[in-house]
Amino acid sequence: DTGVSQNPRHKITKRGQNVTFRCDPISEHNRLYWYRQTLGQGPEFLTYFQNEAQLEKSRLLSDRFSAERPKGSFSTLEIQRTEQGDSAMYLCASSLVTGGRYTEAFFGQGTRLTVV
Amino acid sequence: QQPVQSPQAVILREGEDAVINCSSSKALYSVHWYRQKHGEAPVFLMILLKGGEQKGHDKISASFNEKKQQSSLYLTASQLSYSGTYFCGTEQYSGAGSYQLTFGKGTKLSVIP
Repeated sequence: DTGVSQNPRHKITKRGQNVTFRCDPISEHNRLYWYRQTLGQGPEFLTYFQNEAQLEKSRLLSDRFSAERPKGSFSTLEIQRTEQGDSAMYLCASSLVTGGRYTEAFFGQGTRLTVV
Repeated sequence: QQPVQSPQAVILREGEDAVINCSSSKALYSVHWYRQKHGEAPVFLMILLKGGEQKGHDKISASFNEKKQQSSLYLTASQLSYSGTYFCGTEQYSGAGSYQLTFGKGTKLSVIP
């Protein structure tokens, strides 16, 4: 088990372009979270999936943001028409939830997005 | 709803103790504690579940007062490696079978020789 994997690690894009990030969770984990973190702040919740179902979306997530988790495995986060304010570290985390009992969330190394 | 952490920052000498607090205005299902070093991903330290069960670290302890929706992280005999930013994450029921894990703004801990 190699942990949570995120790709790419760094992305520089021009304002107005679309970007897509990928997260591969720990294989047996059924819950997957996306967070955004800016310098000096805690991870801000964006959305999460229980298997393939997207259960919650933050109000931070404008219509330009979309996330998918087809087949309950890897997940993608797409940002359309990027803005400079989207520059941040995007973190993915996964955990296992079974019968109301669950493990801690493990974080990936993140994708650092810079919009120029 | 984002939990509130205090203090925002603390400086310790090696061997000293520290307490980091986390509180929420909503009923909590669980509290998670993470440490993040500069440029790295947050690393799990401790989880405290409603009902008293906890899993975590043998050199770090924590408490969870369910009635007050508060948790405290206790760092004893601090080492240089304890330096980093500590985040509490609170899991709250947000309706329709959904539990949201929300993090505080963090407490920056610096341990000096």
